[in-house]
Amino acid sequence: QLQLQESGPGLVKPSETLSLTCTVSGGSISTSTYYWGWIRQPPGKGLEWIGSVYYSGNTYYSPSLKSRVIISVDTSTKQFSLQLYSVTAADTAVYYCVREIIGDYYMDVWGKGTTVTVSS
Amino acid sequence: QSVLTQPPSASGTPGQRVTMSCSGSNFNFGTNTVNWYQQFPGTAPKLLIYGNNQRPSGVPGRFSGSKSGTSASLAISGLQSEDEADYYCSAWDDSLNGPVFGGGTKLTVL
Repeated sequence: QLQLQESGPGLVKPSETLSLTCTVSGGSISTSTYYWGWIRQPPGKGLEWIGSVYYSGNTYYSPSLKSRVIISVDTSTKQFSLQLYSVTAADTAVYYCVREIIGDYYMDVWGKGTTVTVSS
Repeated sequence: QSVLTQPPSASGTPGQRVTMSCSGSNFNFGTNTVNWYQQFPGTAPKLLIYGNNQRPSGVPGRFSGSKSGTSASLAISGLQSEDEADYYCSAWDDSLNGPVFGGGTKLTVL
């Protein structure tokens, strides 16, 4: 059974870069059926899609975050990563990595999530 | 401000049938299917319904989804106390070129 696990710092200073990694286990990351994505949830609020990456490296991003986001994939380590630049307190959230079904665009596997706080 | 619109709350008593709505536009619901997620406090969301009305393996049959035009709904029949959770609708949006979510509906079982 495929599982996703997020990892990275829980505290980031304002104006710095938030970096998270998602490790895929129990299955392949190099499959043509899926995208691998990031979703976040600010405290007490709803879900926001950040962006996604294909195993070949193709990416697509939320228009509202596109100028500050890079998502990359490393198939040799079965990991994909999120970098969010110039963070502010508004970027404080639980960050989830997900597997997305291409075509129908639903997320069928979710990581447990990791809390990132932006504070000095 | 979420792209998809959901009522913030819903409630029902055990055994009752409850429905939750989700309103979109031609950019999302017009040509794309609707998905629903269930989230318990402090846990990750879980896929509940995909493709408007398909249930993943393991999701009880008392959960059902439907879509008509630019609106969708999630129904829970035979409501149980363990159904108390937040429910989110989602769909691909052709104008934003990405998936969008509703703000979520908090279901309370009285």
